[in-house]
Amino acid sequence: QTVVTQEPSFSVSPGGTVTLTCGLSSGSVSTSYYSSWYQQTPGQAPRTLIYSTYSRASGVPDRFSGSILGNKAALTITGAQTDDESDYYCVLYMGVGIWVFGGGTKLTVL
Amino acid sequence: QLQLQESGPGLVKPSETLSLTCTVSGGSVSISNSYWGWIRQPPGKGLEWIGSVHNTGSTYYNPSLKSRVSISVATSKNQFSLNLNSVTAADTAVYYCARLVDSNFDHWGQGKLVTVSS
Repeated sequence: QTVVTQEPSFSVSPGGTVTLTCGLSSGSVSTSYYSSWYQQTPGQAPRTLIYSTYSRASGVPDRFSGSILGNKAALTITGAQTDDESDYYCVLYMGVGIWVFGGGTKLTVL
Repeated sequence: QLQLQESGPGLVKPSETLSLTCTVSGGSVSISNSYWGWIRQPPGKGLEWIGSVHNTGSTYYNPSLKSRVSISVATSKNQFSLNLNSVTAADTAVYYCARLVDSNFDHWGQGKLVTVSS
């Protein structure tokens, strides 16, 4: 089964820019995978940041953006804030109604 | 405002069946462009998609769980349900129900912790 890969952890300074990626154990991610990104804080349900590669969910600040970088989907946070410290998950559509989540990235802002 | 709420037992014995229901309020499970899904998260670990159902009854399952899982929708009750049989300790997790529309899991329940233990 295809594995969706994410960086286990990442660190960014307040005000800085960070790009998290979402790849495949085999092959390249394209817009056909309808990548989406979710932010989760401890004890809470995930909330959508980005869906269908580029679309920002309602109420999400525009410092969050989605893209395809090389052969991976990417989430870029521009001007990171301390309350961006969370776990971030991507999920990819594999076709035939099947979705696969990445392992998640723990983002530290300090 | 669409809301989803998981319900069901919080403790299940090994080898038995885990059964959860998600009740949808503020909207209808019968909306044609919406799918309804289950996602779980073992303690301290990442998210895992379990499966999805459409109001027509079409279902899609994680291949790794397909032999043990069943998801159904009850449009008259505005609910959808998850059954996972032959559970083991590895199935201990927070189980979330969620709406999937336009490739976006846009609304989630608060989550239900289910522990598998004798």
